[in-house]
Amino acid sequence: GEDVEQSLFLSVREGDSSVINCTYTDSSSTYLYWYKQEPGAGLQLLTYIFSNMDMKQDQRLTVLLNKKDKHLSLRIADTQTGDSAIYFCAEARFGNEKLTFGTGTRLTIIP
Amino acid sequence: ETGVTQSPTHLIKTRGQQVTLRCSSQSGHNTVSWYQQALGQGPQFIFQYYREEENGRGNFPPRFSGLQFPNYSSELNVNALELDDSALYLCASSPDGGYEQFFGPGTRLTVL
Repeated sequence: GEDVEQSLFLSVREGDSSVINCTYTDSSSTYLYWYKQEPGAGLQLLTYIFSNMDMKQDQRLTVLLNKKDKHLSLRIADTQTGDSAIYFCAEARFGNEKLTFGTGTRLTIIP
Repeated sequence: ETGVTQSPTHLIKTRGQQVTLRCSSQSGHNTVSWYQQALGQGPQFIFQYYREEENGRGNFPPRFSGLQFPNYSSELNVNALELDDSALYLCASSPDGGYEQFFGPGTRLTVL
């Protein structure tokens, strides 16, 4: 079955880069997503990558995919206090079908 | 363009009761998925509706049921509530053929 793993916590100094990691087990995963959840809120889609891509950059966000190792990472450049949140990695075999989420990584920014 | 909306925001029920949660999809989106997020966990897929038909179901018992209406809004019904049903219930909508799911703010259900 599908399983998605993330480390639970990450602390980063303001202005540094944050790197949040995720591993998944389903080799059929075609779509991989990063969502952000602020306290008491729903999920905000940050970015996604298709399994035939190695990297995707979108402003301060860079997603790296190592399909061989089933490893996904999200790099946030110049981390700001507003980036404090829980970040979820998610995967799907096909577009528009069920998402399987990791347990989330809580990102804390140190001033 | 209005995003995904959910009602109510918060709800308190007692064990054994029934609850109905509502979701309005984003304009133009005909697919609605429901997820349960327990405290400290990632969201778990409950089921998905596409053009008023159930289109996939996660590992949830039959007392979790749903509906989708012709305007693509959706309801999640939970019967015989249990304490473990306390969670944030999230609705997400997506367009036909799309691969992005956009989430609403959620309904926080507390079962006492």
